[in-house]
Amino acid sequence: QLQLQESGPGLVKPSETLSLTCTVSGGSISSSSYYWGWIRQPPGKGLEWIGSIYYSGSTYYNPSLKSRVTISVDTSKNQFSLKLSSVTAADTAVYYCARRTFYAFDIWGQGTMVTVSS
Amino acid sequence: NFMLTQPHSVSESPGKTVTISCTRSSGSIASNYVQWYQQRPGSSPTTVIYEDNQRPSGVPDRFSGSIDSSSNSASLTISGLKTEDEADYYCQSYDSSIHVVFGGGTKLTVL
Repeated sequence: QLQLQESGPGLVKPSETLSLTCTVSGGSISSSSYYWGWIRQPPGKGLEWIGSIYYSGSTYYNPSLKSRVTISVDTSKNQFSLKLSSVTAADTAVYYCARRTFYAFDIWGQGTMVTVSS
Repeated sequence: NFMLTQPHSVSESPGKTVTISCTRSSGSIASNYVQWYQQRPGSSPTTVIYEDNQRPSGVPDRFSGSIDSSSNSASLTISGLKTEDEADYYCQSYDSSIHVVFGGGTKLTVL
């Protein structure tokens, strides 16, 4: 059964870069049928799509975050990663990684809380 | 790009039927599939409807999805409400560049 697990620092200082990794187990990240994505949820608020990546490396970013976001994939480790630069308190959120068919996110990680604070 | 607008909250009694709407601000709702996710407190979202009206295996047939071109909206209907259905529900679609759009979410209270 496919599982996704987020990992990375839970605390990031303002103006620094947030870095998270999603490890995929129980299946291959190189499947041509899926994309892999990042979604975040600020405390008490709704879901916000950050971006998605295909195993080939093609990326798709939320226009509102595009200037600060980089998503990459490492097929040898069955992982994909998120970097968000110049963070502020507004970037404090639970960050989820998820598998995406063309249309929908069908498998989600458990999420990891990231707080931006000095 | 477009937005998806949902009511902030809805409430209904156990055993009744509730419908949650999701209105697309521009472009046709029928142009791109709509998905619905359920999120219970402290948990990750799970899919209850995909491709407008398809239910993943394991989702009860009390959950159904539809689209209405006249109101440019999608709807999630839950019949025979149970207390376990109390959760936040999010609609989601995508644009021609496969950018993902989420609705703001609806809190369902089963009282």
